[in-house]
Amino acid sequence: KAGVTQTPRYLIKTRGQQVTLSCSPISGHRSVSWYQQTPGQGLQFLFEYFSETQRNKGNFPGRFSGRQFSNSRSEMNVSTLELGDSALYLCASSPNNPGQGETQYFGPGTRLLVL
Amino acid sequence: GENVEQHPSTLSVQEGDSAVIKCTYSDSASNYFPWYKQELGKGPQLIIDIRSNVGEKKDQRIAVTLNKTAKHFSLHITETQPEDSAVYFCAATGSGGYQKVTFGIGTKLQVIP
Repeated sequence: KAGVTQTPRYLIKTRGQQVTLSCSPISGHRSVSWYQQTPGQGLQFLFEYFSETQRNKGNFPGRFSGRQFSNSRSEMNVSTLELGDSALYLCASSPNNPGQGETQYFGPGTRLLVL
Repeated sequence: GENVEQHPSTLSVQEGDSAVIKCTYSDSASNYFPWYKQELGKGPQLIIDIRSNVGEKKDQRIAVTLNKTAKHFSLHITETQPEDSAVYFCAATGSGGYQKVTFGIGTKLQVIP
């Protein structure tokens, strides 16, 4: 099976712009989670989607949003970018419910730099 | 919610020596504890996991131990090799319903040849 893919791999944006990141999970996986990774903060949970519904959400402002399509592919959007949004954004997929002990499979991430 | 603390944040060992990374968790209902390895430019990859009904699990040079009473778990890497150099994350989850996976802050391991 192909692994989790994320596009684009790198992005440079300026403050105030918005950005959309894409994630394609492993075939057959219905749960997609998004994480923000920054030095010193580790992996911070953004949200999780299952069957096109947001099932769980982390403590991020409303500028961070996401959605999932019927084929389980997911996108996340960040509006009104701030310098502090510069980070590696990771997507992870699992069959149904990572919160119940299923392994998560991570993509390579999208590196976002906000200038 | 769950809180996972991980230490040390950096660890340097000589090739062939052992490395130990420790994590503590706060939610006594958590029952699944995976460890991930992240190499430069890649996403984290699961290397070993343990569930709360098991005290220890081994896979070749790596092992994980779990102490439910003290709410801590550890990763042990023996006979370290340069390719073990990476960032390691512990995580905890599984306290019921649709819980998020909570990660530790990560440990950067450097194996010196």
